[in-house]
Amino acid sequence: QVQLVESGGGVVQPGGSLRLSCEATGLAFSDSGLHWVRQAPGKGLEWVSFIRYDGAKQYYIDSVRGRFTISRDNSKNTVFLEMNSLRIEDTAVYFCASRSSVSTNGLGFWGNGTLVTVSS
Amino acid sequence: EIVLTQSPATLSLSPGERATLSCRASQSISRVLAWYQQKPGQAPRLLIYDASTRASGIPARFSGSGSGTDFTLTISSLEPEDFAVYYCQQRTNWPPWTFGQGTKVEIK
Repeated sequence: QVQLVESGGGVVQPGGSLRLSCEATGLAFSDSGLHWVRQAPGKGLEWVSFIRYDGAKQYYIDSVRGRFTISRDNSKNTVFLEMNSLRIEDTAVYFCASRSSVSTNGLGFWGNGTLVTVSS
Repeated sequence: EIVLTQSPATLSLSPGERATLSCRASQSISRVLAWYQQKPGQAPRLLIYDASTRASGIPARFSGSGSGTDFTLTISSLEPEDFAVYYCQQRTNWPPWTFGQGTKVEIK
């Protein structure tokens, strides 16, 4: 059974930093690309970032590029999202997610999310 | 960036009724579209991918159709557990992957 468990959320002031983690169990982690998707309170889903299975490629939505960095440690089955220069509009629940198989073109596995609140 | 527009924003229906949800893309995305269900306080759940393929464990009452720019998610007969928010999502010409703004299916 696949589990994705996010951690590292919390309350931070504008301009501050946080590092989110997502640990996977039951997943062929080193063969899996991983995504971060966020959801602001009462709003819809927004894709944030993706890292390739080997960590060689990373992609970001424009609004976070240059402020957020996605990385992974395949020896620890963990993906990270380093968030710097945080803005109020970054307040959201952050989910990590992956495809459930190579042939499934959608995000079949999701964590429960971790809440990031940016507030003064 | 490809924009997905979902309609209606809210659908008020009774259990047993048929639900038809629409997702329109700002440019052709072939059949590279997925649908998700989300209930309050929960993570999204993948329902449909490649426009019409049901994900593992998804009941047959959920079906998807469409290609190009116009897509539909149909729930043939609403069960009580189907009242939720539904999102479409595309991954053509990414990044970014984009989601629609969601359709809430509520109990009438």
